[in-house]
Amino acid sequence: NAGVMQNPRHLVRRRGQEARLRCSPMKGHSHVYWYRQLPEEGLKFMVYLQKENIIDESGMPKERFSAEFPKEGPSILRIQQVVRGDSAAYFCASSPEGMNTEAFFGQGTRLTVV
Amino acid sequence: AQSVAQPEDQVNVAEGNPLTVKCTYSVSGNPYLFWYVQYPNRGLQFLLKYITGDNLVKGSYGFEAEFNKSQTSFHLKKPSALVSDSALYFCAVRGPSGGSYIPTFGRGTSLIVHP
Repeated sequence: NAGVMQNPRHLVRRRGQEARLRCSPMKGHSHVYWYRQLPEEGLKFMVYLQKENIIDESGMPKERFSAEFPKEGPSILRIQQVVRGDSAAYFCASSPEGMNTEAFFGQGTRLTVV
Repeated sequence: AQSVAQPEDQVNVAEGNPLTVKCTYSVSGNPYLFWYVQYPNRGLQFLLKYITGDNLVKGSYGFEAEFNKSQTSFHLKKPSALVSDSALYFCAVRGPSGGSYIPTFGRGTSLIVHP
């Protein structure tokens, strides 16, 4: 059973470009979470999705950021018009149904904005 | 709102000595508590969790954690540290925050085990 797959592992974008980060959850997992990690700041929750639904996006900036988890295919975190402050590691996690289940993490995508 | 505090940014311990990484939490209702480890340039790996039952939970790589409801703590422990345990450790809680049970993480504690 493959783990959570994220791609690309590293992404370099110029200011103003768009960044698309992909996440394929573990087989059988219907819940996907996106987090951003900055040095000295820990993991910051961004968005929680289930298939075709955004459940909670309270941690995601209102502008330039969007996320989706379509019926078919991976979950996508999209950042439009990137700025240097968007440089960070972005992690996706997935979990099965159930509030007491642990989340499994992908290896992350390290976004660098130049 | 739920939250997790890891009061130590860094913990230093000599190899062979016991280690403790501290975590306290705040959540309404019964908490589900987790510990994860992160090695450089990697994702988080699950170590152990507390759901209900015995307050002492055993997990991977010889780690264990003790749930203390009165102190709202869930400290990670290991009787004898290894140099290879050096990594970043995260405590997390799931609780009914807004009904969605989103995992909330602490800032992380860097564990350094000296030879």
